[in-house]
Amino acid sequence: AQSVTQLDSHVSVSEGTPVLLRCNYSSSYSPSLFWYVQHPNKGLQLLLKYTSAATLVKGINGFEAEFKKSETSFHLTKPSAHMSDAAEYFCVVALLNTGFQKLVFGTGTRLLVSP
Amino acid sequence: DVKVTQSSRYLVKRTGEKVFLECVQDMDHENMFWYRQDPGLGLRLIYFSYDVKMKEKGDIPEGYSVSREKKERFSLILESASTNQTSMYLCASSSSDGGPFNEQFFGPGTRLTVL
Repeated sequence: AQSVTQLDSHVSVSEGTPVLLRCNYSSSYSPSLFWYVQHPNKGLQLLLKYTSAATLVKGINGFEAEFKKSETSFHLTKPSAHMSDAAEYFCVVALLNTGFQKLVFGTGTRLLVSP
Repeated sequence: DVKVTQSSRYLVKRTGEKVFLECVQDMDHENMFWYRQDPGLGLRLIYFSYDVKMKEKGDIPEGYSVSREKKERFSLILESASTNQTSMYLCASSSSDGGPFNEQFFGPGTRLTVL
């Protein structure tokens, strides 16, 4: 069965330092993977997605993620954190359920950014 | 600008009440989804619909039903609300154009408390 595991429930960084949010996936076939972000009191927003094209995927707000098949990982990174990056981040794998899209969400990583 | 709206941001109901959560999207999307979000569990799919009057069970459909009479509207129904249905409920929609791995657009959520 397809699933994702987010290795950290909370990550704390200082403004201006790099961000690393870790995600490992389990899939019996080549997966489609996403990162979504949820800011306080707002709906989820797509950051980026991987669908078997380039393994390094660039998203919005300076985030990027690298698909590594050998490590079954899809970690999210950003070179320099901004205060506005404080939010909850979800790693997601897409399943094709009899031809219909179904998303399986990780448990989330809350990113805290301190001045 | 794409929009998914949910009828209430906050709702308080009593055990045993019938509860209706409404979701409307203005993007002419074929697919609509209902999730519940609980701390430490991420998002879990309750039901989804890929066309008017069509519905499919998600991972946790027990205690819920849905209705999709019009393309833009997808309703979640709690037939007899229970305290373990206290949660944040998120609605999403996506297009089927171009394949099944399109972005899902989320509403702001309804925080339901059942007393």
